[in-house]
Amino acid sequence: QQQVKQSPQSLIVQKGGISIINCAYENTAFDYFPWYQQFPGKGPALLIAIRPDVSEKKEGRFTISFNKSAKQFSLHIMDSQPGDSATYFCAASMGDKIIFGKGTRLHILP
Amino acid sequence: DAGVIQSPRHEVTEMGQEVTLRCKPISGHNSLFWYRQTMMRGLELLIYFNNNVPIDDSGMPEDRFSAKMPNASFSTLKIQPSEPRDSAVYFCASSFPGSSYNEQFFGPGTRLTVL
Repeated sequence: QQQVKQSPQSLIVQKGGISIINCAYENTAFDYFPWYQQFPGKGPALLIAIRPDVSEKKEGRFTISFNKSAKQFSLHIMDSQPGDSATYFCAASMGDKIIFGKGTRLHILP
Repeated sequence: DAGVIQSPRHEVTEMGQEVTLRCKPISGHNSLFWYRQTMMRGLELLIYFNNNVPIDDSGMPEDRFSAKMPNASFSTLKIQPSEPRDSAVYFCASSFPGSSYNEQFFGPGTRLTVL
């Protein structure tokens, strides 16, 4: 049973454009919703995270939008750069465990 | 500061052989996680330990997989016998109590190929 559904699987965006990745969850008991970024040959690393009592969180060019009633959240990358090309995982955590989405491979065209 | 250390980084073996993957968590971290990453299934949690004790092994695919954590600074994931479908990248991650957003710190992974 997939508890966190992520889309799209892959995304190509022009440099300077906005990248948007969407996720949906089922279990209302999750306490945090992080996004992890993974570059080729590396392990995932925490990029940005949000609590379910907050509707939006912004860190630089990265913004999480959270819709608790719809059980959906999304990552927006403004002014996307070639260095943002990576795989992005949305996730939901409960206690020690983190449930990851299947990932989105983002490619930013120069 | 050293991050999570995994060895080997690459492993190529033949079907039926025993494979042992190793992990050294970040000093002071008390939780350790083993994940498997494939294109088809994404990032799957296999097992995690808290203070060296296995807490949840529901993600371990079958009895061929086993994991141990004999002390706070070392863990192993063993596959015996290995099969071609075990080919994947295996990640170890660690975390500490009270970390922001339950952040997990991942190692560089071990790429396993079973022929």
